[in-house]
Amino acid sequence: GQQLNQSPQSMFIQEGEDVSMNCTSSSIFNTWLWYKQDPGEGPVLLIALYKAGELTSNGRLTAQFGITRKDSFLNISASIPSDVGIYFCAGFQGGSEKLVFGKGTKLTVNP
Amino acid sequence: GAGVSQSPSNKVTEKGKDVELRCDPISGHTALYWYRQSLGQGLEFLIYFQGNSAPDKSGLPSDRFSAERTGGSVSTLTIQRTQQEDSAVYLCASSRTKRMSPLHFGNGTRLTVT
Repeated sequence: GQQLNQSPQSMFIQEGEDVSMNCTSSSIFNTWLWYKQDPGEGPVLLIALYKAGELTSNGRLTAQFGITRKDSFLNISASIPSDVGIYFCAGFQGGSEKLVFGKGTKLTVNP
Repeated sequence: GAGVSQSPSNKVTEKGKDVELRCDPISGHTALYWYRQSLGQGLEFLIYFQGNSAPDKSGLPSDRFSAERTGGSVSTLTIQRTQQEDSAVYLCASSRTKRMSPLHFGNGTRLTVT
């Protein structure tokens, strides 16, 4: 079935450091989405990617849709304490309207 | 307008009881999804509604789970004869008509089966 492999599973960094996380799949995806989830809340959309090779920024966040359409990464620059949370990649595969999620990257930022 | 609204925010029930979880999607969004998130895990797809089309029920884990969407808006997820393994956060999301539009999530219902 559809699977997204997200890594790393968790990260512990110092405030000010840059962060990188990625998602890979053995299947081609047509859309990649990155979400952030804070405790007790639903995931919130950070960035949406629609074309292979697309590089999109949202403030300190940058994400790319891999050229093979089988991977995506998210970078966070100059991390701050409020970046703490769980980051999920998600994608739509082929003609499916079912959004598939990775298992998440838990980010901890030490002040 | 307002975001996706889910109720109740928390539900504690005894094993064997039935529960109903409600979702009010964003106004004008024609697609509605239900996901389940177990503690520390990713999101597991349950069911998807799009307009008047037949729902995609391929993620429902057993026949104890069912969902309906009335009038193309509000949706109810029903779990019959709840089991302890049903304990999780149930998340609802909605999206626009355009295919592969990003999903917008509610804050979920935390279900605890004792």
